[in-house]
Amino acid sequence: DVKVTQSSRYLVKRTGEKVFLECVQDMDHENMFWYRQDPGLGLRLIYFSYDVKMKEKGDIPEGYSVSREKKERFSLILESASTNQTSMYLCASSFATRSQYFGPGTRLTVL
Amino acid sequence: GEDVEQSLFLSVREGDSSVINCTYTDSSSTYLYWYKQEPGAGLQLLTYIFSNMDMKQDQRLTVLLNKKDKHLSLRIADTQTGDSAIYFCAEIVWNYGGSQGNLIFGKGTKLSVKP
Repeated sequence: DVKVTQSSRYLVKRTGEKVFLECVQDMDHENMFWYRQDPGLGLRLIYFSYDVKMKEKGDIPEGYSVSREKKERFSLILESASTNQTSMYLCASSFATRSQYFGPGTRLTVL
Repeated sequence: GEDVEQSLFLSVREGDSSVINCTYTDSSSTYLYWYKQEPGAGLQLLTYIFSNMDMKQDQRLTVLLNKKDKHLSLRIADTQTGDSAIYFCAEIVWNYGGSQGNLIFGKGTKLSVKP
C-alpha cells in the first residue's frame, strides 16, 4: 500500500511566523505535489516536483516555497504566514503518469 | 484552459443508486479519476478509467465515459451512509512532452445519504 504521511494533522501558527509542512512518501514516487483546499474553491495546486531538487510553480505559488532535497520528502514553506493562508494543505505523490496518492492533510490555522 | 465541472451537492436515500456527473475540457486526457474525501481526511483514489474505455465496473462502482461529450459519471449502487463524502472528478493534463502529468480537479460533489 502506498503511504503518504504529513507531519501534522492540525497546526496553529501566528501571523508572520515561518511554517514548515512536511510530506513523506514510501513508494519511491518521482512526483510530489502540494495543494491547498478551501470551501467553494476545491483543490488548488501550489507547487509540484518531478524529481529531487526540482520544483515547479503551480496555480497559486505566491507566499509559498518548497524544498525537495530527498526523493521521499517534499516540504512546503510559508516564509511569513498570513491569515489568508489558513487552509487545509494536502500533499500527494505519483509515478510519472499514474494516479496521485494523497496524505491525510494538515489543517493550518494562522491567527 | 483546462476545466473540470461537477455539481456541488447530491442527496440520496440509503439503498438508492447515486450518480455523480462531471464534464471536462481537455480532449487529450487519457486518464480520468474519481477520488473520495471523507470529513477531515485526505483524498482517497476510488477508481480511474482510461480514455479508450466506455465503462469500468468495480463492485458497487460503475464509471461511464462519453468521450465525445467529455462527460464522466460515477454510479454508486446500493448507496450506504458510509458513502457520504465529497467526490472529486479529475483529468490528467500532460507536461514535458507527455512524460509527466498533473491533475485538474473539479470542485467536488458532496454526497449526503439519508437513512
